[in-house]
Amino acid sequence: DGGITQSPKYLFRKEGQNVTLSCEQNLNHDAMYWYRQDPGQGLRLIYYSQIVNDFQKGDIAEGYSVSREKKESFPLTVTSAQKNPTAFYLCASRTGQGFTEAFFGQGTRLTVV
Amino acid sequence: AQSVTQLDSQVPVFEEAPVELRCNYSSSVSVYLFWYVQYPNQGLQLLLKYLSGSTLVKGINGFEAEFNKSQTSFHLRKPSVHISDTAEYFCAVNTGTASKLTFGTGTRLQVTL
Repeated sequence: DGGITQSPKYLFRKEGQNVTLSCEQNLNHDAMYWYRQDPGQGLRLIYYSQIVNDFQKGDIAEGYSVSREKKESFPLTVTSAQKNPTAFYLCASRTGQGFTEAFFGQGTRLTVV
Repeated sequence: AQSVTQLDSQVPVFEEAPVELRCNYSSSVSVYLFWYVQYPNQGLQLLLKYLSGSTLVKGINGFEAEFNKSQTSFHLRKPSVHISDTAEYFCAVNTGTASKLTFGTGTRLQVTL
């Protein structure tokens, strides 16, 4: 079945360590997105990519980095510069043609201790 | 810039009662509107979308929404809720000027017996 796979589902890291969250899609979508979700704040856009080898900052990009070397993959690195990294991270994708809906992965819950 | 306001952070309702979750948007151009549902520790699932045409949109699980351009609203309704409808609901907007979806802060629907 086609879909978006995020891994791992739960991730624990020590403060000061970089960590990379995986997002893979087999929907042949051009556009991919990373959102951060905190209680009461909804979803906030971190980075998005509309095409391979290109990406743009979202509203809260500081302390994060991404790459888009393949159409299927859009990994997110949470760096030590992110002051409050503990959150639920959601990856999404869209066809990029017209104004279609986004499809979401199941999320990764990152806890930094 | 586009924005979305969900006026209620929590909506408690008894099973089999009707419910309305409110969503207002802000945009100076044509909009495309979406409602998503999120169950605990999961990703978002599309309930329904408005792209064009009829202003009354029907979605999955018996939900519907009405696009009201003059009031810049896209309220979600269900005539009779079930315990299984307990979840968080997000309204989202996409305008023709950006490839990204902007989400509201979410409404927690709590259905009780």
